[in-house]
Amino acid sequence: AQSVSQHNHHVILSEAASLELGCNYSYGGTVNLFWYVQYPGQHLQLLLKYFSGDPLVKGIKGFEAEFIKSKFSFNLRKPSVQWSDTAEYFCAVRYSGGYQKVTFGTGTKLQVIP
Amino acid sequence: EAGVAQSPRYKIIEKRQSVAFWCNPISGHATLYWYQQILGQGPKLLIQFQNNGVVDDSQLPKDRFSAERLKGVDSTLKIQPAKLEDSAVYLCASSHGTGTEAFFGQGTRLTVV
Repeated sequence: AQSVSQHNHHVILSEAASLELGCNYSYGGTVNLFWYVQYPGQHLQLLLKYFSGDPLVKGIKGFEAEFIKSKFSFNLRKPSVQWSDTAEYFCAVRYSGGYQKVTFGTGTKLQVIP
Repeated sequence: EAGVAQSPRYKIIEKRQSVAFWCNPISGHATLYWYQQILGQGPKLLIQFQNNGVVDDSQLPKDRFSAERLKGVDSTLKIQPAKLEDSAVYLCASSHGTGTEAFFGQGTRLTVV
């Protein structure tokens, strides 16, 4: 069965610190990978996605993620976080072919302290 | 471009009552999804439509949940009767197709008491 693991449930960082959020998915062939963000009181928004090509993907607001196929991972990174990055971050995976559903991880709450 | 619209934003009902949620996807989006997000968990897909046909409802509790997407546009999700464990945020999302990213609505927060 498809599954996504986000190992960090709650992360607290000071402004300007570097961020890396882990995401691992279960094996299932060709995948599409996503990171969504949910700011307080707002709806889920796409941060970045990987479909194919360069495994280093750049998204909005300075975020990037690297797809490492051998490790079934798609970790999210940002060199220097800001207070406005306080939000909940969800990793999601879709296995290609047919009408494959998107499976979400449990999410990581990021709190950035000014 | 208008986003995915959902209503109501909040709903409080007693257990065993019925409730319905409405979703209007982004214009032209063929794929529509309903997700359930319980507090502290990630969204879980309940049902996925391609136009007005169901392509995945494997995680929909069909004894109490139902959904329809008449004419391949708007969709409604119904719970009848509700249980305490149905308390969650119900998210609607849409995409051009199954191979593109989904855009989410604000969600409906359901509290069953």
